[in-house]
Amino acid sequence: NAGVTQTPKFRVLKTGQSMTLLCAQDMNHEYMYWYRQDPGMGLRLIHYSVGEGTTAKGEVPDGYNVSRLKKQNFLLGLESAAPSQTSVYFCASSNSGHHSYNSPLHFGNGTRLTVT
Amino acid sequence: LAKTTQPISMDSYEGQEVNITCSHNNIATNDYITWYQQFPSQGPRFIIQGYKTKVTNEVASLFIPADRKSSTLSLPRVSLSDTAVYYCLVALGGRDDKIIFGKGTRLHILP
Repeated sequence: NAGVTQTPKFRVLKTGQSMTLLCAQDMNHEYMYWYRQDPGMGLRLIHYSVGEGTTAKGEVPDGYNVSRLKKQNFLLGLESAAPSQTSVYFCASSNSGHHSYNSPLHFGNGTRLTVT
Repeated sequence: LAKTTQPISMDSYEGQEVNITCSHNNIATNDYITWYQQFPSQGPRFIIQGYKTKVTNEVASLFIPADRKSSTLSLPRVSLSDTAVYYCLVALGGRDDKIIFGKGTRLHILP
C-alpha cells in the first residue's frame, strides 16, 4: 500500500516549456488536491477534484490545468512554464472533501520544480 | 470559510511540553478541527482531530474549549525530531470542498 505517489520527484524546466506532474493514490479516495508550497509559505491550493471526471479551481489556479480521467490519478499540467511557478508541488487525497471526521488528507512527498 | 490564526513561530527546549494555540472565531457548528505536521522536504501528515473538549492520541493532545473559537495542540516532552511546521485547519462543514491551509507555526526545538 503505497499511499500517494508523485512523479517526478525533481524537474528543471526552461521558461515556456510544458510538463505534467502525476499523482497516483491507491486508497480508493474520491477527493484529490494539488497544492504548491513556496519558501516560508504555507500550502496554497491550485486545483482539486471531488471525483473521477471532475475538477475545480482552488486559490491559485492560473497557469495550471488538471485532469482526473481515472479515480486513482490526478494530473497537473503546466502548458508554458514561468519562473514564478518554481515551487514544491504536493498532491493529497482524502475520502471526504470537506474534512469530515476521520477523513484527513494523505499527502505525497512532493515534486520540486525549478523553472529557469 | 473558517479562517485560522496561529503563531508564525515558536521555540522550545527538549523535554518540555509545547502548546500551540489556533484561533478560529467563525467556526461553524459542524466543523472539525484538524492538525497536521510537516517535516522539511516532506508532505504534511495528519496528527490529530477533534470537535470539542479533549482528544488524545499517541502523538499529541488537542484541547478545545466550550465555545470552540480556539484550540490548543499540546506536544508532551518534545524532542529535536518534533521540529516541524504545524498547521491548524478547520473543516468546512460540507459547505465547500476546498481545504485551505494557512502558513502554520514553525516549531523549533532546541537541545
